[in-house]
Amino acid sequence: GQQLNQSPQSMFIQEGEDVSMNCTSSSIFNTWLWYKQDPGEGPVLLIALYKAGELTSNGRLTAQFGITRKDSFLNISASIPSDVGIYFCAGQRSIDKLIFGTGTRLQVFP
Amino acid sequence: DADVTQTPRNRITKTGKRIMLECSQTKGHDRMYWYRQDPGLGLRLIYYSFDVKDINKGEISDGYSVSRQAQAKFSLSLESAIPNQTALYFCATSGTSGIVDTQYFGPGTRLTVL
Repeated sequence: GQQLNQSPQSMFIQEGEDVSMNCTSSSIFNTWLWYKQDPGEGPVLLIALYKAGELTSNGRLTAQFGITRKDSFLNISASIPSDVGIYFCAGQRSIDKLIFGTGTRLQVFP
Repeated sequence: DADVTQTPRNRITKTGKRIMLECSQTKGHDRMYWYRQDPGLGLRLIYYSFDVKDINKGEISDGYSVSRQAQAKFSLSLESAIPNQTALYFCATSGTSGIVDTQYFGPGTRLTVL
């Protein structure tokens, strides 16, 4: 089955640094979503993007829906320890199901 | 109380055993999903249901079956568990919020098949 390619697979950064991760697909999506999964928990929705070129922020998080509709980016500014977790992108073409990325594992050191 | 609950949270079983994982939701959503998570593979869809009479296979349904007993309950069964079904299993629900089908996930069930 199709999966989205997410990079990097993992990141080890120092508290206060900015983080960037991206997600690419060989086919287009109508909606892009970004989720965060804390250890021992299910994924939680962070940001939803509805149209190509859209740039949306949620606190220190900013995500963009790529112009080609085949990619999306997530940036986290001034990282803090509670940003630790796995970040997943997800694409949706129609109102049926999501296709998830492979995840980016983020570790923040004080 | 959590909106989406899963039981059990952890389960260890042996090859060949029948296992049922249960999911309940209090969000009043019609749509429910079962995903499997493996390291490095993200989440993959096993089955989904858009209402009580609707059941659909996802990308990795082989070896699994589901039952939608009520709007609020969606169970996943492994008729004869095998070791490569060892994984973290998530239930999710969704209802339309604007134009996006926002999915809410349960806390997960960690299944180990020996």
